[in-house]
Amino acid sequence: SQQGEEDPQALSIQEGENATMNCSYKTSINNLQWYRQNSGRGLVHLILIRSNEREKHSGRLRVTLDTSKKSSSLLITASRAADTASYFCATGNSGAGSYQLTFGKGTKLSVIP
Amino acid sequence: DGGITQSPKYLFRKEGQNVTLSCEQNLNHDAMYWYRQDPGQGLRLIYYSQIVNDFQKGDIAEGYSVSREKKESFPLTVTSAQKNPTAFYLCASSIGKKIYNEQFFGPGTRLTVL
Repeated sequence: SQQGEEDPQALSIQEGENATMNCSYKTSINNLQWYRQNSGRGLVHLILIRSNEREKHSGRLRVTLDTSKKSSSLLITASRAADTASYFCATGNSGAGSYQLTFGKGTKLSVIP
Repeated sequence: DGGITQSPKYLFRKEGQNVTLSCEQNLNHDAMYWYRQDPGQGLRLIYYSQIVNDFQKGDIAEGYSVSREKKESFPLTVTSAQKNPTAFYLCASSIGKKIYNEQFFGPGTRLTVL
């Protein structure tokens, strides 16, 4: 079952602009992670934010988590053509008997040079 | 050079044949996973293993089988019982046994049934 739902499904921006992607989920989580996938390749882990954290930064990436709204956002600042990829959120769930990492369907980001 | 390797990169199978996808890691990770990705979709968990000689079914295990005889290796067999096997298969691993930890992915195997 897929818990994370990214929004928008696709996003096209000019190089230098900021890109914001959102993720909503349904049940309580242990953590939320963002991954990147270049076309036809494996996923690369970008950042992990725990349920007791509200914001995290890594280079040009900023992730926020609002557990009351069950949502997260990924902001990429000063985008580059090399940021063109699909971005997935994944929720780490730790309910009784379940230790699952559940992926959404992704946001496809295109950065135009 | 540490990481996860998957082979082959492309695989073609005739209907009715079993095929085995290889996944090897030299990261000394305890846990390993197999995911399936269909076009425009997220990843769905097929099987995972948190320790040698033990593995658990994921959301879509029917038609697949795995083994974990060595810590470094987690091969996936796609059997003839899998009705729609054409997809992109991704192997991953993580440190420790909690599968909601950060996962490291291989480059994937694209399986096409002819």
